[in-house]
Amino acid sequence: AQTVTQSQPEMSVQEAETVTLSCTYDTSESDYYLFWYKQPPSRQMILVIRQEAYKQQNATENRFSVNFQKAAKSFSLKISDSQLGDAAMYFCAYRSYNNNDMRFGAGTRLTVKP
Amino acid sequence: NAGVTQTPKFRILKIGQSMTLQCTQDMNHNYMYWYRQDPGMGLKLIYYSVGAGITDKGEVPNGYNVSRSTTEDFPLRLELAAPSQTSVYFCASSYGLGTGVSGNTIYFGEGSWLTVV
Repeated sequence: AQTVTQSQPEMSVQEAETVTLSCTYDTSESDYYLFWYKQPPSRQMILVIRQEAYKQQNATENRFSVNFQKAAKSFSLKISDSQLGDAAMYFCAYRSYNNNDMRFGAGTRLTVKP
Repeated sequence: NAGVTQTPKFRILKIGQSMTLQCTQDMNHNYMYWYRQDPGMGLKLIYYSVGAGITDKGEVPNGYNVSRSTTEDFPLRLELAAPSQTSVYFCASSYGLGTGVSGNTIYFGEGSWLTVV
């Protein structure tokens, strides 16, 4: 089964600075989808950004971008110009192209310092 | 847009009691899911459904049951509640396989906090 690893349980960034959250995954598949979700204290799961494995171009959504390295099985999230509202748990997730499960990492808690 | 709606948001159960978590979605998604999130952990799949009348077990199905009589609704039943079922439960939905990254994106409800004492 696929596994998703987030090696940084906690990260901290100064407001307006840039931070990168790491994610690696283990799979033998060639087609899949990768996601980053944000979970603020309210516990709601909010989609941040998504990437299809067959696309080499890294996805971007405003201040959020990813560095997708397929050979290295790495999918890091970069947050630019960090804002206080970015403080949350961030979960990396893997979804197989061929089955119904989405696997989540254990999460990284991001703190933004004013 | 309502999206995925779960009820109740909070519930305290006594050991051995049963209850049903309700979930409905208005996005006409074929796929629906129930996840649980234990403190400090990621989400684990309990059950999922690919359409009305079809359900299947996920990673942690023991102690739960589901049904899917309509496209919109996917209730989760807890039988004989145990302290190990204390968790936050998320209902979610998506279009399904073969529909590209947009269709494979899972959208979540706001979560239901369950405590078993």
